[in-house]
Amino acid sequence: QKEVEQDPGPLSVPEGAIVSLNCTYSNSAFQYFMWYRQYSRKGPELLMYTYSSGNKEDGRFTAQVDKSSKYISLFIRDSQPSDSATYLCAMSRNKLSFGAGTTVTVRA
Amino acid sequence: GAVVSQHPSWVICKSGTSVKIECRSLDFQATTMFWYRQFPKQSLMLMATSNEGSKATYEQGVEKDKFLINHASLTLSTLTVTSAHPEDSSFYICSAAGTGNTEAFFGQGTRLTVV
Repeated sequence: QKEVEQDPGPLSVPEGAIVSLNCTYSNSAFQYFMWYRQYSRKGPELLMYTYSSGNKEDGRFTAQVDKSSKYISLFIRDSQPSDSATYLCAMSRNKLSFGAGTTVTVRA
Repeated sequence: GAVVSQHPSWVICKSGTSVKIECRSLDFQATTMFWYRQFPKQSLMLMATSNEGSKATYEQGVEKDKFLINHASLTLSTLTVTSAHPEDSSFYICSAAGTGNTEAFFGQGTRLTVV
């Protein structure tokens, strides 16, 4: 079993829809939770970073962490074609562990 | 966010030669650097973790004699692909983390093509 499970998709939504992404994990020692966005042929860029359970908002992005269920989510409101990318979840204690990444396409 | 610069962004080399990729943290001290490999449409695969001044820790299945990692300072780590072969062609990405490894920032990636 992988430490971090993420459905690779692909996920296709119309412009303006809410994109919902999630990851589950098995290691309860993880303390920090991140979401990265990666455009094709580019390095990943950090989108959201959370430490505790609960919600964190940044513009159209909301990250949720539920440590009791070992489940994290990323929601993108009012999705735009420019949001089309691969989204990777990551979590860490002493080293980073990544999900497989979910490829998202937002159709104009 | 912090800036991590990776160089070169792409390189083509002949089979049998060696290629060096540099990863620099520009505005913070990177106590830990990670090197990843990514094949098309696949996720990042951790190759090795290096702490400044120490030998790198390689993941299972990664040949340490083929992928030489040096982390001589808090702002620079290098990955050298020795005696490259076409199957080494891939996208190599570094990331750097400060004290505590709470979050990491990525370089732009290097696309290596071995012909």
